[in-house]
Amino acid sequence: NAGVTQTPKFQVLKTGQSMTLQCAQDMNHEYMSWYRQDPGMGLRLIHYSVGAGITDQGEVPNGYNVSRSTTEDFPLRLLSAAPSQTSVYFCASSYSAGQSSYNSPLHFGNGTRLTVT
Amino acid sequence: AQKVTQAQTEISVVEKEDVTLDCVYETRDTTYYLFWYKQPPSGELVFLIRRNSFDEQNEISGRYSWNFQKSTSSFNFTITASQVVDSAVYFCALSVPTSGSARQLTFGSGTQLTVLP
Repeated sequence: NAGVTQTPKFQVLKTGQSMTLQCAQDMNHEYMSWYRQDPGMGLRLIHYSVGAGITDQGEVPNGYNVSRSTTEDFPLRLLSAAPSQTSVYFCASSYSAGQSSYNSPLHFGNGTRLTVT
Repeated sequence: AQKVTQAQTEISVVEKEDVTLDCVYETRDTTYYLFWYKQPPSGELVFLIRRNSFDEQNEISGRYSWNFQKSTSSFNFTITASQVVDSAVYFCALSVPTSGSARQLTFGSGTQLTVLP
């Protein structure tokens, strides 16, 4: 009964380094997304996917890439880390996607705390 | 555009006190869903409740209750007889349907609740 699993839990990067945050869900959810959480700003959507092979940008996509090769996995790639990307990152999924998805609650992973120095 | 305001950044109460967390939202959509999530000190985000725009009945679940008032665009959350384990950041969120695949979900900035023993 894993739900949404994120790895790693903590990561420290130097400016310019790249890395991939992993996210996997075992609930057969269509919709997956990445959020970043910054103090006083709530959660902001980075990228999302409504199914395997389909991804799109959210509110703050710059500096991040995603792919969705399977229903289960939705990795987030930081191409060249910057101090402004220091944040807590959450992966979230929900059962339905598309126009009917707005009533589905999101299931969140435990988060990844990223520090870029 | 959608907006969710949680004006109370931090609230501190003594155990067994009742506490109300305010949430005010803005949307032009007549159909929408409102959510509350809890983020305890361990960091994960936990779904608490979902309410659609056509259901203004208040809801009670144990010590938790929610008051939805469309006339004031508010969806407030009350904890009765608070306990130390209620200490967390609480987020209110608004979800509206979209014409495409995107999911329009807007989070408030959160309210940090501290319950003192």
